[in-house]
Formats: sequence, C-alpha cells, structure tokens
Amino acid sequence: DTGVSQNPRHKITKRGQNVTFRCDPISEHNRLYWYRQTLGQGPEFLTYFQNEAQLEKSRLLSDRFSAERPKGSFSTLEIQRTEQGDSAMYLCASTFGAGGHNEQFFGPGTRLTVL
Amino acid sequence: AQSVTQLDSQVPVFEEAPVELRCNYSSSVSVYLFWYVQYPNQGLQLLLKYLSGSTLVKGINGFEAEFNKSQTSFHLRKPSVHISDTAEYFCARVPRAGNDMRFGAGTRLTVKP
Repeated sequence: DTGVSQNPRHKITKRGQNVTFRCDPISEHNRLYWYRQTLGQGPEFLTYFQNEAQLEKSRLLSDRFSAERPKGSFSTLEIQRTEQGDSAMYLCASTFGAGGHNEQFFGPGTRLTVL
Repeated sequence: AQSVTQLDSQVPVFEEAPVELRCNYSSSVSVYLFWYVQYPNQGLQLLLKYLSGSTLVKGINGFEAEFNKSQTSFHLRKPSVHISDTAEYFCARVPRAGNDMRFGAGTRLTVKP
C-alpha cells in the first residue's frame, strides 16, 4: 500500500471560485480526517468520517466547506466561494478502528493559494 | 483556548548534542498524547504516543517522551541528534472520550554539523 494520497498537491485559484480536493486513505482504514494547516501553526481539526458517516465537524468548517465520503473509501473536501483566508495546506489522515488513541497516517497535503 | 503549547518555535542544536522539545497541554478531561514529526515535503509521521501505564514512552529514531501529569507536560527528548532529525515536530492531544486531535504550533528542530 502506498499510504494516504491527496490530489492535487497544489491548487491556485481566484477568490470566489470553488475548489475540490480529494483524499484516498489507506484501503482498510475506516476513519478519515481532514485538517487545515496555516503557516507557522499546527494542523487544525476540521472533520472526520467513520466509514461514510461524517461524525464530527469543527466550528472552523463554515457553511462554505463541505466534505463527503460517499462509499466509505475516498473523500472530497469542497470549498465554495473561496476567500484569501482559505489559503492553507489541507491535510487528510486515515486510521483503522475507533477511538482517538490510534495512530493517524497523514497524506502529503494539498496546498491552496487563493489570489 | 490553546490546548497544546509548544514552548519553543525553533531549536537549533549541533549534531550529537542532546535535545529536549517542550510541550504542555491543558485539558479538563483525560487525554492521549502524541508527538508527530514532519520531514520536509513529507506528511506527518507518528514518533510516539502515551496512552496509559509507564510515563516514559519510547518511540522511533531514538526519541522518548515523559508524561508528567502534575505539570501537564509531555516533553520529547533525544540524547544525541543527527542531521537527519532536522524537521518540524508537533505535540498533540486527543480526549480519551473524543476524536478531535489538537496540535501545538510546532517546533522546528535544526541540527547543524
């Protein structure tokens, strides 16, 4: 297995445009997490899925953000009407099992730049 | 409120010297604690974690961390660093009854020859 993959690796967009990112977790992992990381900060939790169910969303996830994991495998994160403040690295992580004690395996991230 | 505080944003150190990266956490509930490392242009990798039991936890690449409940700390140590240890290190905590992992701002460790 090649680990968690994310596409695209880089995205440059103009303010007001919509963008969508994809995350492919490790195949047997049932949990998938999304984080946002800005320069000089650690990752900030956005949301997570247990299989196809979205179980928790951070208050950071405004109504312009939506995440899906339709078949419990890959996940997409869409940002509508992007703003300059959305510029960040978006990280995906996956793990197997339930509970926060399990190791999360991170992808390389998608770097979003909003002009 | 900041849940995880990494006390040093940058730590420069010479090769083969010991290093300590400091982490303090705040939580009203019991937590699991983690250290992750991010090498340049790579995803975060788990170094070690504290779940319960012995307060001294050993991880990969010769790193270890000690959980101190009274001081709410989880400092990371290595007795002798290598150039290849140059990376960003993140301390993180997860509530035992929850799933939202919170990270500190990171400590950039730079090992100089």
